[in-house]
Amino acid sequence: AQKITQTQPGMFVQEKEAVTLDCTYDTSDPSYGLFWYKQPSSGEMIFLIYQGSYDQQNATEGRYSLNFQKARKSANLVISASQLGDSAMYFCAMREANTNAGKSTFGDGTTLTVKP
Amino acid sequence: DAGVTQSPTHLIKTRGQQVTLRCSPKSGHDTVSWYQQALGQGPQFIFQYYEEEERQRGNFPDRFSGHQFPNYSSELNVNALWLGDSALYLCASSRRTSGRKSYEQYFGPGTRLTVT
Repeated sequence: AQKITQTQPGMFVQEKEAVTLDCTYDTSDPSYGLFWYKQPSSGEMIFLIYQGSYDQQNATEGRYSLNFQKARKSANLVISASQLGDSAMYFCAMREANTNAGKSTFGDGTTLTVKP
Repeated sequence: DAGVTQSPTHLIKTRGQQVTLRCSPKSGHDTVSWYQQALGQGPQFIFQYYEEEERQRGNFPDRFSGHQFPNYSSELNVNALWLGDSALYLCASSRRTSGRKSYEQYFGPGTRLTVT
């Protein structure tokens, strides 16, 4: 069974600084995808970044980067130059293989608050 | 290009009643997944529909059922509502394809169900 653990219920960061949100995972599948989503108070789940288990390089999407350490089974999200609009709930998720088939398993999330 | 749409936005029901939630996938997508998100938790996978059939199911009782129509839209039905069914119900759409962007999955804004 797949499991996602996010150990930081809440995080604070000063505007314009970088912040790292932690995520560890557990799976017996050799092929999987890791995702990060942002959920503002409106409720919609917004896709941020994706990392495939066989990808050699860490994924980057604008101010978001994923620090993928396969041996440690960790997939931390780094947000650079934080903005007030980054305040939201952030979820780490996993899905089997590099496909859109199958279910996604989510962690319990981290609430990020960006302070001016 | 419309994204994933869900209706209604909010719903209040009484214990024992039945409810139907609706989802229209993003244009070009043929697969719909449903998730339940309780307050303060990550989304939990309910089931996934492709080619009008349930393809995968999470750990939810038979009170939760669904349907997918030829136009790829989907319904989630919950019978004999419990207080514990109060949650945000999220629909996600994707396209069954191989290739670079095969992992993409888009979420709708959700339906917030309150059971009293």
